[in-house]
Amino acid sequence: GEDVEQSLFLSVREGDSSVINCTYTDSSSTYLYWYKQEPGAGLQLLTYIFSNMDMKQDQRLTVLLNKKDKHLSLRIADTQTGDSAIYFCAEVVGYQKVTFGTGTKLQVIP
Amino acid sequence: NAGVTQTPKFQVLKTGQSMTLQCAQDMNHEYMSWYRQDPGMGLRLIHYSVGAGITDQGEVPNGYNVSRSTTEDFPLRLLSAAPSQTSVYFCASSSEREPTDTQYFGPGTRLTVL
Repeated sequence: GEDVEQSLFLSVREGDSSVINCTYTDSSSTYLYWYKQEPGAGLQLLTYIFSNMDMKQDQRLTVLLNKKDKHLSLRIADTQTGDSAIYFCAEVVGYQKVTFGTGTKLQVIP
Repeated sequence: NAGVTQTPKFQVLKTGQSMTLQCAQDMNHEYMSWYRQDPGMGLRLIHYSVGAGITDQGEVPNGYNVSRSTTEDFPLRLLSAAPSQTSVYFCASSSEREPTDTQYFGPGTRLTVL
């Protein structure tokens, strides 16, 4: 199967780092994405990583990919209240075939 | 560019009623998809289209029909609504011209079936 799994909920204090984890099952993924969904809105692409990379950094965001364990993580440094949202990981397997994770709701406590 | 637009934003139906959820994109994307989002289940693909005149089923196609007569529009039809179709529906588009296969999402339609 091509299940992509995430923990449902994460709570952090403002200013701390957040780490959101994702596991996937298809080793032939070409790209892996992180999307952010704010309340009442659609999904917004945050960042992506090619499957042949181990790490990608983009300002406060760091993506780590462990292909051996099929594990993807998103670290948000200096988490702000505006980061409160649901975060989805997603993988692309083959051509335009995207499978989304179940989503992690991030709550940032002021 | 308006990106991906969806109408309506909210809709309440009675069981057995029919309706069409509209989706349009102005980015000349070849690929368009419909997803439904349910709590704790992420997004599940309903139907998708790789170009005008071509559609195919996704993971959960039952109870839904689609057509793609133009590149811009990809309506989703519910012929006889059921309470199990209560969900938030997202339309997305993407293009093979973009190397990362990024999907662009509409704002969603929240559907309640009584």
